[in-house]
Amino acid sequence: DVKVTQSSRYLVKRTGEKVFLECVQDMDHENMFWYRQDPGLGLRLIYFSYDVKMKEKGDIPEGYSVSREKKERFSLILESASTNQTSMYLCASSLVGRDSSYNEQFFGPGTRLTVL
Amino acid sequence: AQKITQTQPGMFVQEKEAVTLDCTYDTSDQSYGLFWYKQPSSGEMIFLIYQGSYDEQNATEGRYSLNFQKARKSANLVISASQLGDSAMYFCAMEWYSSASKIIFGSGTRLSIRP
Repeated sequence: DVKVTQSSRYLVKRTGEKVFLECVQDMDHENMFWYRQDPGLGLRLIYFSYDVKMKEKGDIPEGYSVSREKKERFSLILESASTNQTSMYLCASSLVGRDSSYNEQFFGPGTRLTVL
Repeated sequence: AQKITQTQPGMFVQEKEAVTLDCTYDTSDQSYGLFWYKQPSSGEMIFLIYQGSYDEQNATEGRYSLNFQKARKSANLVISASQLGDSAMYFCAMEWYSSASKIIFGSGTRLSIRP
């Protein structure tokens, strides 16, 4: 079974702290994604990566950065956490599809981050 | 720009009844895929079903079927014979192939099954 793990289920940080959210997948997937989930807004893509050291901005990258030094690990970094970054953060991974093949995303359990 | 819309923030359904969750999408791409995910209260996202834009037949997976109407740009999820364990958030999502495996999600529908 594909397994996507996230370093913490719950995290409480203070405003201005640097926060690292780690995600690891064990199925050799090329693509990895970071989303945040807020009530009424669904999942919004923050950043994604389609290869080691490759990254692309999603829909809401402001205030975040990412790092992918190894294929299995994708880190989300909040350089200076703010209260409006309190949210559920979901990591996902998928294979690279071609044309009509599809890329089912496998999700981690999520990290609920509270910034005080 | 691509867009996914789920217009039902919440639904209540009696156990054993069928339920339809609405999803409409907007894209100018010809090649795309549509997904449905389930998110129980535990938080994990569970893949349910997929429909490719070129698939002529509606996708089915057990009690789940996807009512794909391409001309209307709708991809409704139908759950037959609903069960208490179907109570969850349901998200519709679209992937398009002109970008590097990018997917967008709708805002979700919270389904509650009454015993």
